Amino acid sequence: KAGVTQTPRYLIKTRGQQVTLSCSPISGHRSVSWYQQTPGQGLQFLFEYFSETQRNKGNFPGRFSGRQFSNSRSEMNVSTLELGDSALYLCASSLTGHSNQPQHFGDGTRLSIL
Amino acid sequence: GDSVTQMEGPVTLSEEAFLTINCTYTATGYPSLFWYVQYPGEGLQLLLKATKADDKGSNKGFEATYRKETTSFHLEKGSVQVSDSAVYFCALSPYLTGANSKLTFGKGITLSVRP
Repeated sequence: KAGVTQTPRYLIKTRGQQVTLSCSPISGHRSVSWYQQTPGQGLQFLFEYFSETQRNKGNFPGRFSGRQFSNSRSEMNVSTLELGDSALYLCASSLTGHSNQPQHFGDGTRLSIL
Repeated sequence: GDSVTQMEGPVTLSEEAFLTINCTYTATGYPSLFWYVQYPGEGLQLLLKATKADDKGSNKGFEATYRKETTSFHLEKGSVQVSDSAVYFCALSPYLTGANSKLTFGKGITLSVRP
């Protein structure tokens, strides 16, 4: 069974640009969550999507957005990039997003802002 | 709000030593608790989980027991191997009516095991 797939693995952007990251969940999983990992702040929840609807949102500015498609694939977009957006962005999927279900993570997209 | 506190690291052990990594949490109600492991250049892998008080999660020789009275979920392994070298994260998912998959993580602790 294929795991969670994130593309691309690495991205280099400059300040002010925008970027789109992609996530394909495990087949059959309908909940997709996104996390930001940095050395200073650790792992922080960005948002969760289920059935194409954002169901939960973390404490990030509106420059961070996402969407989910009918096949459960998800994308996240960051506009007007800042140096502080440099991070590893992790996507996770679970069957329905219930709190007792483990989330399965992809290997992440490492975003570097110059 | 919810929070997870892990012991400070890094931790360096010799092969076959006993491992304990402390984790305590603050949350309302009955959260689900998880341990995840991250190897260099990879995402997080679920190590084990417990969803109610006194549950014991176990996997690959690792164990952790959900202690409601002490709000703890300490990770233990009787004999570590070099291949266990990684970063370990304790996490909780709050229990709310319906689905809520938001994970709150501890800061993580780096474990290095010497041959």
